[in-house]
Amino acid sequence: NAGVTQTPKFRILKIGQSMTLQCTQDMNHNYMYWYRQDPGMGLKLIYYSVGAGITDKGEVPNGYNVSRSTTEDFPLRLELAAPSQTSVYFCASSHDIYEQYFGPGTRLTVT
Amino acid sequence: GQQLNQSPQSMFIQEGEDVSMNCTSSSIFNTWLWYKQDPGEGPVLLIALYKAGELTSNGRLTAQFGITRKDSFLNISASIPSDVGIYFCAGYTYSGGGADGLTFGKGTHLIIQP
Repeated sequence: NAGVTQTPKFRILKIGQSMTLQCTQDMNHNYMYWYRQDPGMGLKLIYYSVGAGITDKGEVPNGYNVSRSTTEDFPLRLELAAPSQTSVYFCASSHDIYEQYFGPGTRLTVT
Repeated sequence: GQQLNQSPQSMFIQEGEDVSMNCTSSSIFNTWLWYKQDPGEGPVLLIALYKAGELTSNGRLTAQFGITRKDSFLNISASIPSDVGIYFCAGYTYSGGGADGLTFGKGTHLIIQP
């Protein structure tokens, strides 16, 4: 199993540009999550999904959108990139709501 | 929202020493998780704790779920260079009962001097 994979690994965006961060898991987990990690901080939940077709907001959803059309994929969309969205983004999945398994992260810089 | 306080923020230790770190909160948690993050990588789950007082080991790592449900501890015995990284605690609370109930601490940076 590859576990949770994320693409791209690095990206630089200009202010106002859009992009989609991809996340795929091959563990048949129902739960999937998107977090952002800022320097010296813990992980903040952006959006989560409890199954295909179901998504919900986390602690910091503003400026982001998600969709979950399949069990495996949970892309995160940034519509109008802002410098405040410079961060490291982690996707995670879990069988239940507790033991989450993380991908390697996407490092995004908005200038 | 819930807050978790991890201490210490960073630790400088000698190889071979034992390490202790903890995570505390003013709120009660029902589940505690400990993760390790290597530079440039995602967090990796080390230990999960589900019952107050539970003591669980994973190799040289031992974690405990505090009796008050407001804290958890992680110990690493006989540290080695590959133990370097950031250790995060995470707690889950049933309030709301949703999948957004996991709260992360800010991490303890472990640095090992050979």
